[in-house]
Amino acid sequence: EAQVTQNPRYLITVTGKKLTVTCSQNMNHEYMSWYRQDPGLGLRQIYYSMNVEVTDKGDVPEGYKVSRKEKRNFPLILESPSPNQTSLYFCASSQGPQDGYTFGSGTRLTVV
Amino acid sequence: AQSVTQLGSHVSVSEGALVLLRCNYSSSVPPYLFWYVQYPNQGLQLLLKYTSAATLVKGINGFEAEFKKSETSFHLTKPSAHMSDAAEYFCAASPGYSTLTFGKGTMLLVSP
Repeated sequence: EAQVTQNPRYLITVTGKKLTVTCSQNMNHEYMSWYRQDPGLGLRQIYYSMNVEVTDKGDVPEGYKVSRKEKRNFPLILESPSPNQTSLYFCASSQGPQDGYTFGSGTRLTVV
Repeated sequence: AQSVTQLGSHVSVSEGALVLLRCNYSSSVPPYLFWYVQYPNQGLQLLLKYTSAATLVKGINGFEAEFKKSETSFHLTKPSAHMSDAAEYFCAASPGYSTLTFGKGTMLLVSP
């Protein structure tokens, strides 16, 4: 089944403790992206990648890192999480901008 | 920068009534346009997309949207609402790169 898989689905962590949210897609898509969803703000793009080793900042990149060493994987790294990064995170992939993105099921992160 | 405006954070309709969710984009060049639906505790699912092939676009679950360049609009409609349509709907626009900008979402409430 074609899908984007994120792990974990739920995560509670403490301020400053580094964490990684994994994302993998099995559709051989070129493009991958991370979004965060907050009530009343919709979805905002954090980072995106157009191919292996090619990444760029989205609208809200502060406090996040990404890497794209393999085509199928696009992990999101929070080096020093803070409470304002408590949010619902989505990974997505696409074959091209005209196709739209396929989204994962989301990771609900709480930073205390 | 691209922006997407969804008029109304909440829209209420009765079952069987017309559904109209409004979306306007800001761009002098028509972008790729999308509507997504999000059911509670789930990821986003693509409803339909506009890629310049036709101005009236049909999607899943009986939804359709009409692209109007003169009004920079891409409103979503469904002739007869069903209880199962209750969800949050997001309009999104892509200028042709890997960025995808979302509106803030409209929650559709369907009453019996």
